[in-house]
Amino acid sequence: EVQLVESGGGLVQPGRSLKLSCAASGFTFSNYDMAWVRQAPTKGLEWVASISTGGGNTYYRDSVKGRFTISRDNAKSTLYLQMDSLRSEDTATYYCARHLYTTDYYFDYWGQGVMVTVSS
Amino acid sequence: DIQMTQSPASLSASLGETVTIECLASEDIYSNLAWYQQKPGKSPQLLIYYANSLNDGVPSRFSGSGSGTQYSLKINSLQSEDVSIYFCQQNYDSPYTFGAGTKLELK
Repeated sequence: EVQLVESGGGLVQPGRSLKLSCAASGFTFSNYDMAWVRQAPTKGLEWVASISTGGGNTYYRDSVKGRFTISRDNAKSTLYLQMDSLRSEDTATYYCARHLYTTDYYFDYWGQGVMVTVSS
Repeated sequence: DIQMTQSPASLSASLGETVTIECLASEDIYSNLAWYQQKPGKSPQLLIYYANSLNDGVPSRFSGSGSGTQYSLKINSLQSEDVSIYFCQQNYDSPYTFGAGTKLELK
């Protein structure tokens, strides 16, 4: 059974950093592109970043480019999101998600989500 | 960014009814469209991709159609477990944007 379990969320002050982790199991992690997708409270979904199977290619939405870094450790089957210079508008539930296909941005499995609150 | 506009924002339907949700893209996305279902308090689940391909394990009462800028999700014979929020998402160009969602409730 495919499982994605996020951790590392919490309350953080504006301008500070936080690192999210996503532990994957039930599939060959190194064979899949992975992504982070977020959902602000009572709002819709927003793709944040994606990473290729080997980690050599990363893609970000403009609003997080230069502040967030997606990475992965295939030996540990773990995906990461380093979030720096956090802003109030980054407050959201962050989901780790698996790309359906390498060439596409469809997400066939999602974690349960982890809440990040940016507030002073 | 490509804007995805869903309609209606909410709807109420009876068990056994057929329901249709629409999604309009701000430009041609060449059938690069997915539909997701998000049940209350849960993470989204992929229902449809490439506008009309049913994801594994999704009941056949769900179907997708459309082309160009206009797409729709149809649910035949509505079941109680279909109460959810439904999102469309374009896969054509970055950033890969989602619609605001359609909340489906039982009448």
